[in-house]
Amino acid sequence: AQSVTQPDIHITVSEGASLELRCNYSYGATPYLFWYVQSPGQGLQLLLKYFSGDTLVQGIKGFEAEFKRSQSSFNLRKPSVHWSDAAEYFCAVGERDDKIIFGKGTRLHILP
Amino acid sequence: DAGVTQSPTHLIKTRGQQVTLRCSPKSGHDTVSWYQQALGQGPQFIFQYYEEEERQRGNFPDRFSGHQFPNYSSELNVNALLLGDSALYLCASSSVIEQYFGPGTRLTVL
Repeated sequence: AQSVTQPDIHITVSEGASLELRCNYSYGATPYLFWYVQSPGQGLQLLLKYFSGDTLVQGIKGFEAEFKRSQSSFNLRKPSVHWSDAAEYFCAVGERDDKIIFGKGTRLHILP
Repeated sequence: DAGVTQSPTHLIKTRGQQVTLRCSPKSGHDTVSWYQQALGQGPQFIFQYYEEEERQRGNFPDRFSGHQFPNYSSELNVNALLLGDSALYLCASSSVIEQYFGPGTRLTVL
């Protein structure tokens, strides 16, 4: 069965510091992978997606993620965070327009 | 383009009541999926509608039902509400490539 694990419930970083959010997945075939961001009281916004090809994926707001098949990982990175990046981040796996399986999320806190 | 819209924004019901939530997909999208997001959790897939039929269903009881109209808009119905049904209900519409989410409906069951 498909599953997604985000091992960090909360992450705190200082503004301007680099960020890495971890994500591990379980899937029988080559997965479609996503990162979504959710601000308080808001819906989900797609940051980036991986379907195939280059394993380093660029997204919006300066985020990138790297697909590592050998580690079943799809970690999200940003070289320098801004206070506006404080939000909940969800890693997800699924088919293109099929159901999406989400992780439990990582809450990102930014220190001034 | 208005994106995915959902109504109402918030809803308060009591146990045992029935509720209907509505979703209008992004222009050009013909597939609508519904998710339940409990507090502190990731969204969980409820079901998906395509061509006015339920195409896939997650692990939710029959109290959860839906409908898709010819204009691709969709409704989620929940009967016999339980306290545990309190959650943010998200609608997503999709093209071939990816799903776009609406802002959600916050349902509180008292």
